[in-house]
Amino acid sequence: GAVVSQHPSRVICKSGTSVKIECRSLDFQATTMFWYRQFPKQSLMLMATSNEGSKATYEQGVEKDKFLINHASLTLSTLTVTSAHPEDSSFYICSARDQNKLFFGSGTQLSVL
Amino acid sequence: KQEVTQIPAALSVPEGENLVLNCSFTDSAIYNLQWFRQDPGKGLTSLLLIQSSQREQTSGRLNASLDKSSGRSTLYIAASQPGDSATYLCAVRGGQNFVFGPGTRLSVLP
Repeated sequence: GAVVSQHPSRVICKSGTSVKIECRSLDFQATTMFWYRQFPKQSLMLMATSNEGSKATYEQGVEKDKFLINHASLTLSTLTVTSAHPEDSSFYICSARDQNKLFFGSGTQLSVL
Repeated sequence: KQEVTQIPAALSVPEGENLVLNCSFTDSAIYNLQWFRQDPGKGLTSLLLIQSSQREQTSGRLNASLDKSSGRSTLYIAASQPGDSATYLCAVRGGQNFVFGPGTRLSVLP
């Protein structure tokens, strides 16, 4: 199956700093990628849909200026958590669609001190 | 708005049992339904994909069925093993977006 690579797998940062998470489709081109947030023992919450070459579509309640998404190529989307605060600590997962299937990255555990 | 629920929320069974996980969705106008497995602190692994025109899909010990008209899908796991312990999520696709259920946490005891 298709492979989606997500880095870093874990990041610890100080409050107020920005953190960038990368999501790459390794063996297919993804015009659309999705970013999710997941709290412990809860399901995935869609944050935004990343579209190559255009602006991301954010879900209601997700701050666009807080969570910057860039999808500059058909194989790479990035999520930048700007001025991170402890409440941003969470597990972030990206996914990409290849034909009709969703494939997921391995996730990034963000801890903001 | 599509809503997806999964029953049970958690399940603990002894090794070797056959089990069924349930997924329900409110809007039957779906494109497909996908079952995933998630291990703690990991991403999701795709298990089975059922197109809206299909009734079931099988892969090894897993069998997923889809009844679009009633808004239901089941994931059947045969001869469960401790390695099957994980959270199982279903997701339905309508248009571009996918809507996930809350998951079923499965523990298979040796």
